[in-house]
Amino acid sequence: GIQVEQSPPDLILQEGANSTLRCNFSDSVNNLQWFHQNPWGQLINLFYIPSGTKQNGRLSATTVATERYSLLYISSSQTTDSGVYFCAVRAGAGSYQLTFGKGTKLSVIP
Amino acid sequence: KAGVTQTPRYLIKTRGQQVTLSCSPISGHRSVSWYQQTPGQGLQFLFEYFSETQRNKGNFPGRFSGRQFSNSRSEMNVSTLELGDSALYLCASSLSSLGTDTQYFGPGTRLTVL
Repeated sequence: GIQVEQSPPDLILQEGANSTLRCNFSDSVNNLQWFHQNPWGQLINLFYIPSGTKQNGRLSATTVATERYSLLYISSSQTTDSGVYFCAVRAGAGSYQLTFGKGTKLSVIP
Repeated sequence: KAGVTQTPRYLIKTRGQQVTLSCSPISGHRSVSWYQQTPGQGLQFLFEYFSETQRNKGNFPGRFSGRQFSNSRSEMNVSTLELGDSALYLCASSLSSLGTDTQYFGPGTRLTVL
């Protein structure tokens, strides 16, 4: 099956700093989502981005489908950005499951 | 529009018992998927239903089963619970039948098996 690798696994930032999280995947995809898991476990949708670039406030994401990677940018980080960020992909027709990476644990310190 | 809801939110069971978890999708969504999250294995796909039909099943033993009702609500059942079944169980719903749109997740059910 498709492999999803996220880097870095852990990231510690000072409040106000910028960061880039990376997601590499091993096959072509027709669905790619970024999630933020809050401390209570809920996965919050950040972006649905199988290709192209999107922005939402301080967050933006870019997926280069031909090179099989996606990037999540967080600018001017805040302590509320702390948590685990997951990339999830769905590969090909006939597949209805999302395959998740292991996540990047972000800690933003004041 | 209300989000995906899951009940119960927390559950404690003992080994050998069975458990049923419930998921109500976003209104109008007909695809429901279930995932298990553990510290060791991460997020793993269990199964996916669309219009009461299971279309995909992950690599889990037969003790894990599910179903979907005509109103798109879904249940999953785990029989003969084992300690390793302790996990956060997440349900997601989506609108499209194609698997190419956004999946929205519920808050999860945290199951502890003693």
